[in-house]
Amino acid sequence: GAGVSQSPRYKVAKRGQDVALRCDPISGHVSLFWYQQALGQGPEFLTYFQNEAQLDKSGLPSDRFFAERPEGSVSTLKIQRTQQEDSAVYLCASSLARQGVGEAFFGQGTRLTVV
Amino acid sequence: GENVEQHPSTLSVQEGDSAVIKCTYSDSASNYFPWYKQELGKGPQLIIDIRSNVGEKKDQRIAVTLNKTAKHFSLHITETQPEDSAVYFCAASPKRTALIFGKGTTLSVSS
Repeated sequence: GAGVSQSPRYKVAKRGQDVALRCDPISGHVSLFWYQQALGQGPEFLTYFQNEAQLDKSGLPSDRFFAERPEGSVSTLKIQRTQQEDSAVYLCASSLARQGVGEAFFGQGTRLTVV
Repeated sequence: GENVEQHPSTLSVQEGDSAVIKCTYSDSASNYFPWYKQELGKGPQLIIDIRSNVGEKKDQRIAVTLNKTAKHFSLHITETQPEDSAVYFCAASPKRTALIFGKGTTLSVSS
């Protein structure tokens, strides 16, 4: 595709439910990032992949958050036992840069609402 | 860890005026400073970036300046247009795996 694609665009989950958010990066992009954006705030880093390797997960807020990119392309962010404070927009970005941050392109995000 | 401060939080200008947004960072290891524009319901869009070995970069109506000594960088938009209205974020990269974002500036350009 032409850009980073995220699905679903919107997700409503009941508290305690597990959710899975999908990111399709730009084809050939080595680096993939997940960010969390609360309402009215800047994006906050969650985790980084270089191909299939998760090189940095220091931003994941708890062990309920898990991300994977098994074949070095599509990535999934999973949140177990969702809580209200998990409500946010989850953004995925990809970059051609092998050395991590460079010109990163963001998807439109998945807005997660936990009720 | 890295901390990025961004000012002002809101900025209103008349069409044709210039707009300036300023950011400071704390970690001297940061060497990459992008600026993103985010419109309602969309993801952030990279509009310009600068690396620490450059003091200024310009792209048409947009320019970014970097002062490494003072640890601050600024976005300048000249001849603003209504379509420039959006939220603008600065960011810094203290490590190669992550960007640290400011809290954003809501720019409103009235015609």
